[in-house]
Amino acid sequence: QVQLQESGPGLVEPSETLSLTCTVSGGSITTSYWNWIRQPAGRGLEWIGRVYPSGSTSYNPSLKSRVTLSLDTSKSQFSLKLTSVTAADTAVYYCARAPLDKLHKFESWGQGTLVTVSS
Amino acid sequence: QSVLTQPPSVSGAPGQRVTISCIGSNSNIGAAYDVHWYQQLPGTAPRLLIYGDTNRPSGVPDRFSGSKSGTSASLAITGLQAEDEADYYCQSYDSSLRGSIFGGGTKLTVL
Repeated sequence: QVQLQESGPGLVEPSETLSLTCTVSGGSITTSYWNWIRQPAGRGLEWIGRVYPSGSTSYNPSLKSRVTLSLDTSKSQFSLKLTSVTAADTAVYYCARAPLDKLHKFESWGQGTLVTVSS
Repeated sequence: QSVLTQPPSVSGAPGQRVTISCIGSNSNIGAAYDVHWYQQLPGTAPRLLIYGDTNRPSGVPDRFSGSKSGTSASLAITGLQAEDEADYYCQSYDSSLRGSIFGGGTKLTVL
């Protein structure tokens, strides 16, 4: 059973860069697609983007100009960087796994980490 | 405003049946892209409930079922239980946006 765990600062100042890491255990990081999804308090889910086992990426067009995803297979981790953050980026951020045959099916999720953008 | 439209809330008494709709368009559900459903209990991460329109992962009770027709999909829950009280989200892929999309979510209240 693959498990995912998000980590990173819980507080980021406006205009700075939000950086999160998701650590994968219980399975190979090279045999799935890896996603980031966020959820502002009391609101719905928003897909941020996906990193493929090859390291190539796909992003939500609404966030594409500010997002970078990357994969570190040696550490079984993948990462999210979101630049120029504002209060609107305050949310719980989840990492999620999708299988190779269903890249939009989020089978496993991390517990989520709350990131607050505030000075 | 979400690309997939869900009712904000539904409710039902224990033992009853409820359905949650998910209305899309020809660039997502209508284009035959898979619809998945997630259950989010209060304070927890979403959990995959239905995948590929109608399939249940192991461990999901058969009280939960999914269907799809045209540009919409539905989640049905029979024999409502108090533990079913949660938020439910539909999800698919949109070819115009070129990415995964979610519905706005539906809060299920068990009366």
